[in-house]
Amino acid sequence: AQSVTQLGSHVSVSEGALVLLRCNYSSSVPPYLFWYVQYPNKGLQLLLKYTSAATLVKGINGFEAEFKKSETSFHLTKPSAHMSDAAEYFCAVSGSTGANSKLTFGKGITLSVRP
Amino acid sequence: GAVVSQHPSWVICKSGTSVKIECRSLDFQATTMFWYRQFPKQSLMLMATSNEGSKATYEQGVEKDKFLINHASLTLSTLTVTSAHPEDSSFYICSAPASGGTTLHFGNGTRLTVT
Repeated sequence: AQSVTQLGSHVSVSEGALVLLRCNYSSSVPPYLFWYVQYPNKGLQLLLKYTSAATLVKGINGFEAEFKKSETSFHLTKPSAHMSDAAEYFCAVSGSTGANSKLTFGKGITLSVRP
Repeated sequence: GAVVSQHPSWVICKSGTSVKIECRSLDFQATTMFWYRQFPKQSLMLMATSNEGSKATYEQGVEKDKFLINHASLTLSTLTVTSAHPEDSSFYICSAPASGGTTLHFGNGTRLTVT
């Protein structure tokens, strides 16, 4: 079984500041980890995914995440926040990379960006 | 790229009526479609998995007679909320893996309000 914990429900940063969104996972098998972004009343867009290759994963829009097995973490970062980054972010875990595999989502974090 | 088109984007219906939500895969064949439900400020909860030409698999606690899923073709899956009640009001999202791919493509969601 897999689960994801996203601590806190809201993160607020200034434009240009570092973005750090935390995700910790629990998995009985080697995990595959994902970060998705959701804009209001929209579906989810994949930012990046970890599939057991490089532990530092680069995604779209300047985001990246690092898989740390010892810490069971997969935190999402972006060096410099942009106003357009304001959205809901979900971390998700799966037991495999197969497209038919079920994803278990965290509860999400709302990112606000102050001018 | 692969796109999942979901309609309607929002719907308001009266209690006791039924509502059908459609998800179409554009430019790819979707043998599998995942249906999620999302309450405000909460995560996505998988409701069921539909497979073309066979019965859908429902997650524990989801009433299959209330949430009817049909996956009649490789490009269309539908979710019908039967005898809707106010507690069924939610945001429903579908997603499908592109053939041979490892990424899920999400529809833009349907905001259902039952009055």
